[in-house]
Amino acid sequence: EAQVTQNPRYLITVTGKKLTVTCSQNMNHEYMSWYRQDPGLGLRQIYYSMNVEVTDKGDVPEGYKVSRKEKRNFPLILESPSPNQTSLYFCASSFAGRNNEQFFGPGTRLTVL
Amino acid sequence: AQTVTQSQPEMSVQEAETVTLSCTYDTSENNYYLFWYKQPPSRQMILVIRQEAYKQQNATENRFSVNFQKAAKSFSLKISDSQLGDTAMYFCATDGSSNTGKLIFGQGTTLQVKP
Repeated sequence: EAQVTQNPRYLITVTGKKLTVTCSQNMNHEYMSWYRQDPGLGLRQIYYSMNVEVTDKGDVPEGYKVSRKEKRNFPLILESPSPNQTSLYFCASSFAGRNNEQFFGPGTRLTVL
Repeated sequence: AQTVTQSQPEMSVQEAETVTLSCTYDTSENNYYLFWYKQPPSRQMILVIRQEAYKQQNATENRFSVNFQKAAKSFSLKISDSQLGDTAMYFCATDGSSNTGKLIFGQGTTLQVKP
C-alpha cells in the first residue's frame, strides 16, 4: 500500500529535550515536506527536500532541522524544543514539485511542556 | 506573496442538503493547481478534489464539485447530498510559485453535518 508513515503519533516532552520525528514514504517520491498545523493558521511548510541531500527552508523553519540521507526518509529534528513548537506536524511527499498531489502522513501531535 | 483565505471558520448543514465552502486566493502565477483537502477527526489529510487553473471546466468528484472563477480568484467547494461522514475540517490550498512541493493553505473551515 502506498503510504507516508510518521512516528511517533503522539509525543509529550519537556523544554530542551532533543527529539526526532521520523517520516518515511514508499512511493519513490522525489519531494518531501514537513508542515505544522496550528488553529486559525492552517498548515505551514517548515522544510522541504527536492531529493537526497537537497533540503531547504520553508516558511517557518526556526527551531527545526531536517536531513535527507535516503530518498524514502525525511526526519524532523527539534534540537531544543520550546512550548511554541507545540503543534500538529505532518510529513508529505509528492512525485514532482509543482502541480502534483501531495500525500500526507497521519500526523504527529507534539506537546512541549 | 501567495495567500489563501477561507472566511468561514465554521459551518453546519443538515444531512442530505447542499453546502458551499468559500475560498479566495491570491497568486501572480498563470499555471497553478488548486486543491480541497478534508481532515476528519482522525486528522488524516485527504485530497477531495483538485482543479487545474488553465482548465475552464469545473472539476467534479461524485458529490463534490468546485466553482472556479479564475478572474475573481475564487475556488468554492460544493458538497451535495451531505452525509454525516462529511463532518470534518476542510482546507483550500494552492501550490507555490517555486518548485518546492509547497502547498499554501487557507485557515480551514470546520463543517458539521447534522442528522
